[in-house]
Order: sequence, then structure tokens, then C-alpha cells
Amino acid sequence: ELKVEQNPLFLSMQEGKNYTIYCNYSTTSDRLYWYRQDPGKSLESLFVLLSNGAVKQEGRLMASLDTKARLSTLHITAAVHDLSATYFCAVDINFGNEKLTFGTGTRLTIIP
Amino acid sequence: NAGVTQTPKFRVLKTGQSMTLLCAQDMNHEYMYWYRQDPGMGLRLIHYSVGEGTTAKGEVPDGYNVSRLKKQNFLLGLESAAPSQTSVYFCASSRDRGGSSTDTQYFGPGTRLTVL
Repeated sequence: ELKVEQNPLFLSMQEGKNYTIYCNYSTTSDRLYWYRQDPGKSLESLFVLLSNGAVKQEGRLMASLDTKARLSTLHITAAVHDLSATYFCAVDINFGNEKLTFGTGTRLTIIP
Repeated sequence: NAGVTQTPKFRVLKTGQSMTLLCAQDMNHEYMYWYRQDPGMGLRLIHYSVGEGTTAKGEVPDGYNVSRLKKQNFLLGLESAAPSQTSVYFCASSRDRGGSSTDTQYFGPGTRLTVL
């Protein structure tokens, strides 16, 4: 059974600081997704990582994938309040089927 | 282009009542999914469909049924609601797997269901 673990589950950080969210998974996969969810809202796709060593960046967020370590990271640079949200990683192990298993999420709060 | 829409947005049921949640997408996607989201548990897949007329069980299918009679619609039914089905339900869709960076799932706004 695939397990997807994120840490930390909760994170408060000051504006301007850097931090990293970690996503570990238990079964071989080369496809990993990051989503953002604002309170009471739907999920918004941030990154799709399709191979070992993949790195994607959008603004102050950068995601990477190490399939050998079964680890993905979401790095936040110089955090701003607008980045406050819950971030989910999701892993796909069924090529051709795209069934995703989600992590439990990291609730990020940026403090002014 | 509305993307993925869900009806209704909110619903309160009594134990034993039935209801159907409707999901519609206008992106011509083949794959559609129903998830439930509970506090501290992330999203869990209930049922999914890989094309019109097909359905399959996900991680937590018990107590739910689905139908995909038209490509653009995916219905989730609760035949006899239970308090344990109180949750937020999300529908999602995606196109065929093509291995590109756009092959992500697109989510609807969610339905908040309370079963008393």
C-alpha cells in the first residue's frame, strides 16, 4: 500500500524567511504533483514533476523530485503572506491511470 | 470555459436519506474522479472513471455509487447517508495520460455535506 507523508504538518514562518516542505512516499513512482488549497476553497495545481531530478519553479516556490530517495521538496524563498495556504503533494504509481494518493497536507501560515 | 463545476455546494441530510452529487466538466477530459476530504486526512479517492460508461473503485468506495453516462458528467450517489459520510466532496478531471507537464487533475469547488 502506498503511503505519502508530508512534514511538517503545520508551519508558521515569518515573512522574508526560507523554508522547505518535504514529501516522502513508500513505493516507486516517477510522477509527483503539488497542489495548493486556500481555506474553504478548491485545489489548485502548482507543479507536475515527471522524472528523477525534475525541478520546477514558479515565483517564490520551487519543487524538486528525487525518485531514488522517494522524496520531493517544495522550497519557499523569501515568504510573503499570500503564500499562506495548505500544500499537498500527491503521488501517481499507476502509469496510464493517473490515480493519485495524497499526502495529509502542510498548513503554512506566513506571519508578517 | 467553466472548468469543473459541482452541484450542490452545500447539503444537509438526515441519516438514511439519499442524494446525488453532480460533477460536470467542459474540458473534454476522459478521466474523472470523486474524492472526499476530511480534517487531517488529505484527500481520499472514492471512485473514478477512465471514460464514458466506465467506473472503478478507489480507496474508500463503500457507501457510494457512481455513474458516467455522459463524458462530461460524473455522478456520485449516497443511497443511505450515514454521519461518517459528513465531509467535503471534490470532483476532479484530467485528460488522457500523455506524459506531459499539463497532465494534472483539475478540481471542482467542492460540496460540503453534513449528515445528521
